[in-house]
Amino acid sequence: KAGVTQTPRYLIKTRGQQVTLSCSPISGHRSVSWYQQTPGQGLQFLFEYFSETQRNKGNFPGRFSGRQFSNSRSEMNVSTLELGDSALYLCASSLDQSSYNSPLHFGNGTRLTVT
Amino acid sequence: AQRVTQPEKLLSVFKGAPVELKCNYSYSGSPELFWYVQYSRQRLQLLLRHISRESIKGFTADLNKGETSFHLKKPFAQEEDSAMYYCALSWTGFQKLVFGTGTRLLVSP
Repeated sequence: KAGVTQTPRYLIKTRGQQVTLSCSPISGHRSVSWYQQTPGQGLQFLFEYFSETQRNKGNFPGRFSGRQFSNSRSEMNVSTLELGDSALYLCASSLDQSSYNSPLHFGNGTRLTVT
Repeated sequence: AQRVTQPEKLLSVFKGAPVELKCNYSYSGSPELFWYVQYSRQRLQLLLRHISRESIKGFTADLNKGETSFHLKKPFAQEEDSAMYYCALSWTGFQKLVFGTGTRLLVSP
């Protein structure tokens, strides 16, 4: 089975712009989660989608949004980019909505640099 | 609020020495604890979880609810164990992980 695929691998954007990141989960996985990883804050949960519905959301401003399509693929959008949004954005998929039953499988991430 | 603490940023040991990576958590309910590992230039991957009570690559971890700890142990470290290790917490019915800040394990020959 192919793993979690994230595109693009690298992005450079300017302050004020917006960006869309894409994630294709492992085939058959219905839950997709997004995490932000920075040297200062570590790994922080952004949101989780299951069957096209956002089930959980982390403590991030409304500029961060996402969605999930019927084929379980997910996109994450960040509007009005700030320098502090520079980070590695990780996508993870799992079979279902409970970590008890199915652990997360992570992608390689998208490295976003805001200048 | 839920929190995971990994007090050591770096743990350096020699090959063959025992290893213990510490993890303490803060959560009032029934937690689900995990250890994730990231080898150089590889993606973050699950190493083990407390509900499995299994040994993976010689590593074990026991959930101690009294001490709210989930330390990762291996009796004899190998050079290939060098990696970044993250302890993570979740709770039943949710796919939201709270991660610790990670511990870099460096095993020298």
